[in-house]
Amino acid sequence: GAGVSQSPRYKVAKRGQDVALRCDPISGHVSLFWYQQALGQGPEFLTYFQNEAQLDKSGLPSDRFFAERPEGSVSTLKIQRTQQEDSAVYLCASSGRDITGETQYFGPGTRLLVL
Amino acid sequence: GIQVEQSPPDLILQEGANSTLRCNFSDSVNNLQWFHQNPWGQLINLFYIPSGTKQNGRLSATTVATERYSLLYISSSQTTDSGVYFCAVEYTGNQFYFGTGTSLTVIP
Repeated sequence: GAGVSQSPRYKVAKRGQDVALRCDPISGHVSLFWYQQALGQGPEFLTYFQNEAQLDKSGLPSDRFFAERPEGSVSTLKIQRTQQEDSAVYLCASSGRDITGETQYFGPGTRLLVL
Repeated sequence: GIQVEQSPPDLILQEGANSTLRCNFSDSVNNLQWFHQNPWGQLINLFYIPSGTKQNGRLSATTVATERYSLLYISSSQTTDSGVYFCAVEYTGNQFYFGTGTSLTVIP
């Protein structure tokens, strides 16, 4: 597609539910990033993939957070047993080599509200 | 970790005015990007600028890597420029660290 897409755009979950957030990167981009953005803050790094390999997951806040990209394209961020502090916008970005270097392109985000 | 500070935190401009946004970072970085987050939350890449100067229309950016800062210039501001401007730096591996942002409001 023309840009990075994410689904769902909005998700309301009851505390304790599991959620799955999807990211479709720009076709051909090898790098994929997940960020968490709390209200009024800048995005914070969660995890990074190069193709299907998860090279950095140091930003995942707890073992309830899990991300995968099994075929090196679409990625899913899963949050188990959601808590109220998980409420945030989850952003996905992809990048690939171009003449300006590793420019990141962001999706519209998934706004998660945990009640 | 690295500290990324942006100033000013908030800025209100009359349409047509010029402004300068600043990003300071506490250590050497491999990559620096400026983003605009519009009122609907979409992050748009403005510049990939680890060093030097670039211009794109009414916007330009300069990064002085040796002095650990970057500047974003907005000239002849328009109401559509409103939103939050972030700088983000790549410090270690592929981790990008975002600043706290500058919230810009352009009034007609």
